[in-house]
Amino acid sequence: NAGVTQTPKFQVLKTGQSMTLQCAQDMNHEYMSWYRQDPGMGLRLIHYSVGAGITDQGEVPNGYNVSRSTTEDFPLRLLSAAPSQTSVYFCASSYRSAGLDTEAFFGQGTRLTVV
Amino acid sequence: KNQVEQSPQSLIILEGKNCTLQCNYTVSPFSNLRWYKQDTGRGPVSLTIMTFSENTKSNGRYTATLDADTKQSSLHITASQLSDSASYICVVRYGNNRLAFGKGNQVVVIP
Repeated sequence: NAGVTQTPKFQVLKTGQSMTLQCAQDMNHEYMSWYRQDPGMGLRLIHYSVGAGITDQGEVPNGYNVSRSTTEDFPLRLLSAAPSQTSVYFCASSYRSAGLDTEAFFGQGTRLTVV
Repeated sequence: KNQVEQSPQSLIILEGKNCTLQCNYTVSPFSNLRWYKQDTGRGPVSLTIMTFSENTKSNGRYTATLDADTKQSSLHITASQLSDSASYICVVRYGNNRLAFGKGNQVVVIP
């Protein structure tokens, strides 16, 4: 059971370049989300999806796009990378439920540096 | 003001000693509260979940408490080990499946 898989683990981009961070989960979770984690700050929500074909913005969506064509995959696209996007990115998934025990499972993270 | 405040921001403890981490939150309506452990270079992993009716829950050497009236939670680590060195993140689920994250407690256990 792979859980949540993120690729790549490390990436260096030049300002203005674009790239896609991949995220895949094999737990049939409806809910998937992307966070960024910066030093001294908590995880901040970028975009999320409650199911295939449905996405919405989180707390810090500017400069990022997402799509959800399948339940398993939720890629994050950086359209024109900026140094302010240097961060560690985490993908997470969970069951979409109003119930109490909807644990979020996190990927290993992608460390992105924009120079 | 952050909706989930954790203290202390960081601490260093000797191997074998106990420590307690604090989490205060303001969000509502409350659904549950989880403590996650994040090892360096890894994603967070859930340690415990606390629901409204639960006061105490243990997971091995980790014991979490919750006072939903005062909106406070704590995570107690007993007989710390070197492998306990990590960031401990308090995450509160509230409203319509929304999550609020604390900035984490950075724990360093030294021999």
